[in-house]
Amino acid sequence: DAGITQSPRHKVTETGTPVTLRCHQTENHRYMYWYRQDPGHGLRLIHYSYGVKDTDKGEVSDGYSVSRSKTEDFLLTLESATSSQTSVYFCAISEWDYEQYFGPGTRLTVT
Amino acid sequence: GENVEQHPSTLSVQEGDSAVIKCTYSDSASNYFPWYKQELGKRPQLIIDIRSNVGEKKDQRIAVTLNKTAKHFSLHITETQPEDSAVYFCAASTGFQKLVFGTGTRLLVSP
Repeated sequence: DAGITQSPRHKVTETGTPVTLRCHQTENHRYMYWYRQDPGHGLRLIHYSYGVKDTDKGEVSDGYSVSRSKTEDFLLTLESATSSQTSVYFCAISEWDYEQYFGPGTRLTVT
Repeated sequence: GENVEQHPSTLSVQEGDSAVIKCTYSDSASNYFPWYKQELGKRPQLIIDIRSNVGEKKDQRIAVTLNKTAKHFSLHITETQPEDSAVYFCAASTGFQKLVFGTGTRLLVSP
């Protein structure tokens, strides 16, 4: 597996609380992505980054924000978690060739 | 934007049979088509990919074919084994190093 870690791996939180998920890579890849995976929907892009401090929205970005202050770290924040954000979140990295490699995932439950 | 449809959603085969999963895409500018395998509770793993200048690519028991005119591509697994049981996702490239994923096919290989 590519050098990608995610933390935490599991989290249970209450509705209305802020949550931050971290993705860390040791591959020095330029592009980083956050996806959510839900039954029947496959992998849907939340936000992505094309460089330090360069980010853009994906198809399901409402309720999420991201930050990338260093090449190796990409943070996903849920400002006020809702039950609809219960999901498995995957980070991915890529270089110039479109090949994406995924982290181990974070299972988030919002009660 | 790009839309990727994947069929079937579930596929059951006997060990030793072949399995075929099909995807269609909408954006004629797409030029990269990967396939991922995801075992239960694991991250998606890139197993094979094809670029638009190639019509077919093989890697041992798996192959991918691409028909750019019809905008569809397929994954072929021959001599299936129980360890091939997993969820398979296709994807197509879109602008800015992004991928759009299909909704997945659950493959079950029975001994």
